[in-house]
Amino acid sequence: EPEVTQTPSHQVTQMGQEVILRCVPISNHLYFYWYRQILGQKVEFLVSFYNNEISEKSEIFDDQFSVERPDGSNFTLKIRSTKLEDSAMYFCASNSYTEAFFGQGTRLTVV
Amino acid sequence: GDSVTQMEGPVTLSEEAFLTINCTYTATGYPSLFWYVQYPGEGLQLLLKATKADDKGSNKGFEATYRKETTSFHLEKGSVQVSDSAVYFCALSENAGNNRKLIWGLGTSLAVNP
Repeated sequence: EPEVTQTPSHQVTQMGQEVILRCVPISNHLYFYWYRQILGQKVEFLVSFYNNEISEKSEIFDDQFSVERPDGSNFTLKIRSTKLEDSAMYFCASNSYTEAFFGQGTRLTVV
Repeated sequence: GDSVTQMEGPVTLSEEAFLTINCTYTATGYPSLFWYVQYPGEGLQLLLKATKADDKGSNKGFEATYRKETTSFHLEKGSVQVSDSAVYFCALSENAGNNRKLIWGLGTSLAVNP
């Protein structure tokens, strides 16, 4: 069964460093999303991506964040100059028309 | 804006007990409604969904009915098992346009004891 894969599963980084979270969506899906879940809080929408461009972004998704689909398969989330409050689980999802399929998540810890 | 409210946990039940997790929503349009489950150490999995009023989603013994009049989508299971221990998320997605972003409830942790 096709699945969304995310790497790494856990990343520890020092405050101020840049991180890149990677996702491989399901191959025939066209819509891609990043969500995050700060420990003990709700899952929050960050950004949606369609046709090689951002279709919607939340107010969380400021200039510190960027997304790319560099090679037609990977879908990346870059976080520049990480802050302690960026520590969270980051989930990638890709959509069929009716359903979102999620990766296992990347746990980002900023120290 | 759109929002989802679900009952706070944790919920602790004995095996074979009846489960209800309440979920209500506010939306400007006619959303699709979802329950996702997150087992310990795993990602988010779709448990069931309903795309229009009065639809009932069901899977693995869980059910939820899309109630437009009460803006609710409560999750139920008649007899829970230890293996149902997980965090359950209610979510909605607007059906307008191409963007199917999900708006989430806070999640309800369920622990089932043998």
